[in-house]
Amino acid sequence: SQQGEEDPQALSIQEGENATMNCSYKTSINNLQWYRQNSGRGLVHLILIRSNEREKHSGRLRVTLDTSKKSSSLLITASRAADTASYFCATDPRGGGSEKLVFGKGTKLTVNP
Amino acid sequence: DTGVSQDPRHKITKRGQNVTFRCDPISEHNRLYWYRQTLGQGPEFLTYFQNEAQLEKSRLLSNRFSAERPKGSFSTLEIQRTEQGDSAMYLCASSLYLWAGGRNNEQFFGPGTRLTVL
Repeated sequence: SQQGEEDPQALSIQEGENATMNCSYKTSINNLQWYRQNSGRGLVHLILIRSNEREKHSGRLRVTLDTSKKSSSLLITASRAADTASYFCATDPRGGGSEKLVFGKGTKLTVNP
Repeated sequence: DTGVSQDPRHKITKRGQNVTFRCDPISEHNRLYWYRQTLGQGPEFLTYFQNEAQLEKSRLLSNRFSAERPKGSFSTLEIQRTEQGDSAMYLCASSLYLWAGGRNNEQFFGPGTRLTVL
């Protein structure tokens, strides 16, 4: 079963607006990662935030992590039509001896020109 | 192109046939992962290798599925006696695991193989 849950499931905005996607998870983590997937393609790694970090920036992306609430958010500023894609959060769970990433169901973002 | 590659990109087969997929990871990466993704869902972990050793398998990996990484480089995923429920995108990812230093399980994904079982 998937641990992460993204919210909202779908988001439609106009070009130039900001897009915020949220992710909640259930167990303790080593880190949390965000990936983008264009329709029918593989996943592209966007950003990794460690459990001892609270905020991270990369270009137009801003990620926050609140381990007390077991939640993360991804903010895309000044969105572009090319940002249209599905966005997934993936957790690297702590303990249990597993090396897998656990993905949520994703947020489908549509940026209208 | 030095990214993860997968072959074929698409595969259509009839129920009961066997299929095999190949993944070539980023050359210096010692870990290789297989995931399965169905429509509207996120990827689900199937198995992973460190070099040639298969270290973890998901309960999703039934006895009809087998994966190998014989020389610690490319990997193959075989599905025997395919079923319609096997229809999905099969994703391969690789990462560089370093024993020293902080945990950084950043995985780089290939384009996937889309399997359709008729």
